[in-house]
Formats: sequence, C-alpha cells, structure tokens
Amino acid sequence: AQTVTQSQPEMSVQEAETVTLSCTYDTSENNYYLFWYKQPPSRQMILVIRQEAYKQQNATENRFSVNFQKAAKSFSLKISDSQLGDTAMYFCAFGGATNKLIFGTGTLLAVQP
Amino acid sequence: DAMVIQNPRYQVTQFGKPVTLSCSQTLNHNVMYWYQQKSSQAPKLLFHYYDKDFNNEADTPDNFQSRRPNTSFCFLDIRSPGLGDAAMYLCATSRGGAEGQETQYFGPGTRLLVL
Repeated sequence: AQTVTQSQPEMSVQEAETVTLSCTYDTSENNYYLFWYKQPPSRQMILVIRQEAYKQQNATENRFSVNFQKAAKSFSLKISDSQLGDTAMYFCAFGGATNKLIFGTGTLLAVQP
Repeated sequence: DAMVIQNPRYQVTQFGKPVTLSCSQTLNHNVMYWYQQKSSQAPKLLFHYYDKDFNNEADTPDNFQSRRPNTSFCFLDIRSPGLGDAAMYLCATSRGGAEGQETQYFGPGTRLLVL
C-alpha cells in the first residue's frame, strides 16, 4: 500500500524568504503522479503543482517548484519569495494506478510579515 | 469558468436527522469523490463514482450513502448524523484515466454542524 509522509506539522517563514516543505512516499508502482495542494484557512483546496514520475525534470509553477528524487521517494516543495497569501495548510498527495489520492497529514505554513 | 460547486456551504442538522449535501460540476469529469475532513487533518475519502460505478471505501460507515443521478451531480446522504459526523465535506472531480493518476479538483466544501 502507498503511504505519504509529511514530517513537518508546522512551519514558519518570513515574507519574501524561501521555504521548503518535505514529503516522502512509499510505493511499488512505477508510473504515478505527485501533487502539492494548498488549503488556506476556511478556503478551497487548490492544486499548487504536480509532477509526473516518468519526468526527470522538476516541475515549476512561478514561485513554486519541486525537488523530485524518485530513487529516494522524496518530493519537496520550495516556495520562493513567500507572500502572506501563501499562509495555508499544504498537503502532499500521491496518485497511482487507482483513481484515488493518498494524502499526507499536511504542513501548516505561516508566512510572517 | 468550469468548476465544482457545493451547496450549501454551511449546514446545520440535528442529531439523527437525515441530511443531504450536494455537489455539481461543470468540468464534465467522469469521476466524483466525497471526502470528510476534520479540523487540521487530511481529507478522508468516503467513496467515489467512476461514471455510474460506485466505489465505497472499506471503512466508510453505512450511515453514509451517495447518489449520482447524472454526470453533473452527486449527493452525499447521511442517514442519521451523529456528533462525530460534524466535519467539512469536500467534493472533488477528476477526468478519470485508464491508468488513474488524474488531478482532482475540489469544491469549496460544506461544513456540517450537528446539534
């Protein structure tokens, strides 16, 4: 069975600085996707970024980028130039052969002014 | 804009009184999901529909049922809500590929309060 682990329950970063959120996963599948979702307080869960496992190049979306290490089963999210609006719960998720996502327990990120 | 819509955003019900939450989508996605999310926790999948095929999670209580009358709509029925069922209920959709791995798109959620 697949598992997703986020070892940082909470993190804090100063506005304009860079922060990295960690995620590790376990799977025996070879083809899969990995996702980072953001859920601001009392607001909708939205997709931040996704990575196809067969792609070696790390995905990037503006200030958000990932460091995907397939052999190590690691998938960290880097947020550059942090903004107050980045304050949210961040969930790492694994999407494999089923049509279901396996979520990590989340990391609560607070961006301080 | 294509989206996932949930109504109502807030629902108050009484202990034991049946309640129905609704979800609609304009994305024309094949798969619709219902999640339960409690405070500061990850969403917990209750069940999902792939087209008309219903897929229940093994640990979803019988108290929770679902209906999908057409592609666009999906309902979550809680037959006899208990205090422990108070939570945010999230609906999500995905295109549904032959090999899975599809991005899920979430609605804003319905927060259920049980009195």
